[in-house]
Amino acid sequence: NAGVTQTPKFRILKIGQSMTLQCTQDMNHNYMYWYRQDPGMGLKLIYYSVGAGITDKGEVPNGYNVSRSTTEDFPLRLELAAPSQTSVYFCASSSRPGGETQYFGPGTRLLVL
Amino acid sequence: QQQVKQSPQSLIVQKGGISIINCAYENTAFDYFPWYQQFPGKGPALLIAIRPDVSEKKEGRFTISFNKSAKQFSLHIMDSQPGDSATYFCAASLGSYIPTFGRGTSLIVHP
Repeated sequence: NAGVTQTPKFRILKIGQSMTLQCTQDMNHNYMYWYRQDPGMGLKLIYYSVGAGITDKGEVPNGYNVSRSTTEDFPLRLELAAPSQTSVYFCASSSRPGGETQYFGPGTRLLVL
Repeated sequence: QQQVKQSPQSLIVQKGGISIINCAYENTAFDYFPWYQQFPGKGPALLIAIRPDVSEKKEGRFTISFNKSAKQFSLHIMDSQPGDSATYFCAASLGSYIPTFGRGTSLIVHP
C-alpha cells in the first residue's frame, strides 16, 4: 500500500513550457485534490475531483488544468508555465471531502525560470 | 476571506517545553478540526483531530483544546522534542465540504 505517490519530485521549467504533474493513489478514494504550498501562505486548493470524470475548481485554478479518467490517477497540467507557478505542489486523497483524513503525497517542487 | 486564522507563524521552544499553536475560525457550523504535521521535504500528515462535541482530545504528548464559544482551538505539545520540529497546519471543515487550512506554524525545538 503506497498511499499517494507523485512524480516528479523536482522540476525546473522555462517560462512558457508545459508539463504534467502525476498523482496516483491506491486507497480507492473517490476524492482527490491538488494543493500548492507557498512559504507562509499555507495550502491553497487548485482543483479537486469527487470521482472519475468529475472535477471542479478550487481557490486558485488559473493556469492549471486537471483530468480524472480513473479513480487512481489525477494529473495536474500546467500549459504555459509562469514564474508565479513556482511552488511546491501536493496531491491528496480522501474517502470523503470533509470530516475525514486527507492523505498527502510527498510533493513536487517546481521552479519556473 | 481567511476562514481559519493560525498563529503564531513561527515558534521556537526549548527541549522539554510546551509548544502552543492557536487557530481561530469564523464559521460556527464547522464540525471537524484536524491538525496536520509536515516535516521538511514531506507532505502533511494527520496528527490529531477533534469534533466540537468534546472540549479536549489527547494523544500522547499532543492535545487539542477546543473552545466553541470563542471559536478557537489550539494544539499543545507537551515535553517538546527536537523531533517535533516541523510545520503544523490546523484545518476546519463542515460536513461534506473540503477543509479550509490555516497558513501554518513553523516549530523549531532547540535541544
